[in-house]
Amino acid sequence: AQSVSQHNHHVILSEAASLELGCNYSYGGTVNLFWYVQYPGQHLQLLLKYFSGDPLVKGIKGFEAEFIKSKFSFNLRKPSVQWSDTAEYFCAAALGGSSNTGKLIFGQGTTLQVKP
Amino acid sequence: DAGITQSPRHKVTETGTPVTLRCHQTENHRYMYWYRQDPGHGLRLIHYSYGVKDTDKGEVSDGYSVSRSKTEDFLLTLESATSSQTSVYFCAIRPTSGGAYNEQFFGPGTRLTVL
Repeated sequence: AQSVSQHNHHVILSEAASLELGCNYSYGGTVNLFWYVQYPGQHLQLLLKYFSGDPLVKGIKGFEAEFIKSKFSFNLRKPSVQWSDTAEYFCAAALGGSSNTGKLIFGQGTTLQVKP
Repeated sequence: DAGITQSPRHKVTETGTPVTLRCHQTENHRYMYWYRQDPGHGLRLIHYSYGVKDTDKGEVSDGYSVSRSKTEDFLLTLESATSSQTSVYFCAIRPTSGGAYNEQFFGPGTRLTVL
C-alpha cells in the first residue's frame, strides 16, 4: 500500500536557523507531492506542490522542496526560519495520471517550534 | 479562502448517538473529501465524492457514511458515535480544470468529542 513517512516528529529551532524536514513516499508510479502547513488553530494551507518538471519547487513564505525520484523523497527546506513559522507541517502524496481520484495520503506530520 | 464552510465547528456528544457533519462549498467543484486528523497519524481519508450521489470509501471508513445529494453539500454521518471517533474532521475540495490534477483546499475543521 502507498504510504508517506515524515522522519521528524518534533523539531525545535532558533530563529534564523535553517530548516529541512524529511518526507519519503512509497509508490513506483507517477505521483504528485505536496507540503501543507497548519498554523495553530487554523486549517491546512498549501505551501508548495510538485506535479512534474523542475524537481526543485518554490512555495510561499520562502519555502522550497526538492523531488528526488531515485530516493522517493520530497524534503522541505527553508534557509532561515522565523518565529511565525511555528506550525505543523504535513507531506502528502497523490497518485498521478488523468484517472486519479485525487485521494491524498498524508505523513504523520512534523511539529516545528521556532524559538525567538 | 476556497469557499468551504463546515458545521458545526465544535460538537460534544455521547457514545451511541448519531452525528452529522456538514461541508458546504460555494464553487460547485466535483470532488469533495472528508478526512480526520489525529495526533501521530496526520490526516486520513474517510470518504470522498466525485459527483452528486457518487461516493467511495477511504482508508478509515468503518463507522462512517456519507451523502451528497447536491453539488455544494457533502455530509458525513456517524451512525452511532464511539469515543474512538473523537477527532478533528476536515472537509476538502479539489478543483479540476482540463483534466489536470490540482491541489485540495481544506475547510476550517470540526472538532468532535464523543464522551
